[in-house]
This record gives sequence, C-alpha cells and structure tokens, in this order.
Amino acid sequence: AQSVTQLDSQVPVFEEAPVELRCNYSSSVSVYLFWYVQYPNQGLQLLLKYLSGSTLVKGINGFEAEFNKSQTSFHLRKPSVHISDTAEYFCAVSDYLTGGGNKLTFGTGTQLKVEL
Amino acid sequence: EAGVTQFPSHSVIEKGQTVTLRCDPISGHDNLYWYRRVMGKEIKFLLHFVKESKQDESGMPNNRFLAERTGGTYSTLKVQPAELEDSGVYFCASSQDTGGTYYEQYFGPGTRLTVT
Repeated sequence: AQSVTQLDSQVPVFEEAPVELRCNYSSSVSVYLFWYVQYPNQGLQLLLKYLSGSTLVKGINGFEAEFNKSQTSFHLRKPSVHISDTAEYFCAVSDYLTGGGNKLTFGTGTQLKVEL
Repeated sequence: EAGVTQFPSHSVIEKGQTVTLRCDPISGHDNLYWYRRVMGKEIKFLLHFVKESKQDESGMPNNRFLAERTGGTYSTLKVQPAELEDSGVYFCASSQDTGGTYYEQYFGPGTRLTVT
C-alpha cells in the first residue's frame, strides 16, 4: 500500500517570494510521482511528474520538484510566486508495476495563498 | 478538443435520496476513473474502467455506490440511498492507452455532492 503525506495544509507567502510545498510518500515498490494543481472552480491539472531519469523535474508555470529516494520526498518549489499561483496543490503517487492505467494515491493537499 | 466533463456541477439532496453523477471522458480514452474527496481529506480512488469493464473497484466504499459505463463511453455513478458521509467532491478522470507504462490522467472539474 502507498501513502502520501503533505504536512502543510496551508502555506501563505508574499508575491515574488520563493515557496516550497512538502511531500513525503511511503511505498513498498517503486513509484511514479506527481504534483497536481486545482485552481478555484476548476479540475485538477498536472503540474509535473517524475517517471524516471533526472531527479529534478521541471513543470509548467515555473514550478519544479526534486525526487529524493533516500528521504522518500518529492517537494515542490518555485523561486518567485505570483498571485495567480494561489490554488490548492496535491502530491500523488502511482505504482508503475501495475501497468499503465495506474490509480493515483493523493495527499490531503496544500492550499497556497499568495499575498501582495 | 473537449476535456473531461461532469454533470451536475453541484447537487444537494436529502439523506435517503438517490443521486446519479455523470462523467464524459475525453473522446477516445478507454480508461475512466472515479475519485472522491471528502472535505479536508485526501482525494481517494474509487474505481477504474477500461472501456466498459471494471478493472479495479477496490476503492468503492460500499454497495450503495454503483458505477456503470455502458458502451465504453460516458460513465455514471449512482449513490442509493445517500448518507451524510457521502458528501464531498467526486472527480472523474480519463486516460488513453498509449502502450507504455504510464498514461496521463486528465481530470474533470468535479461534482460537489451535499447530502443534508
């Protein structure tokens, strides 16, 4: 079984400041890792994903995440946030051994609020 | 190309009533998933269809929930009779079988169900 922990339920940050949203996971097998974003009144949108290869993954809107296998973490970072980044962010994992149609296991989400 | 659509966007029903949620996946996507988020908690997997067949229904909470995907196109999720704890946001996602080990899931905007 897999689980995902997002310790920060809310993260307030001023515009143009850097931000890090934390994600830790547990799994007995190798996993794929994802960050999704949900803007108000919209569906979940894939921000970035780690499947294999380089542990530093770049996504849309200037976000990046680093896969750390030893610490079982996949923290999301952005060097300078904008008001439009205000949204809820979800970390998720899937087990690649079960095939392509893998179900996702999500964390509880982190609400990022960017203030002026 | 249209994304994943869900209907209704909101539903308010009384305990004991029946509600049917509908999901239209992206055209050509054989994989269809249902997820649910109870307020403040993680998004949880409910089930996965491949075309009209249930590939994995391990997340279905109990037999009050019935999911169908006749003809392998749209899917419905019926809750009968609804209980208070069924309240939450129900997400649908779809993905295309690309023959690899990972298929990106595209999410709909969700249906917010409130049981009073």
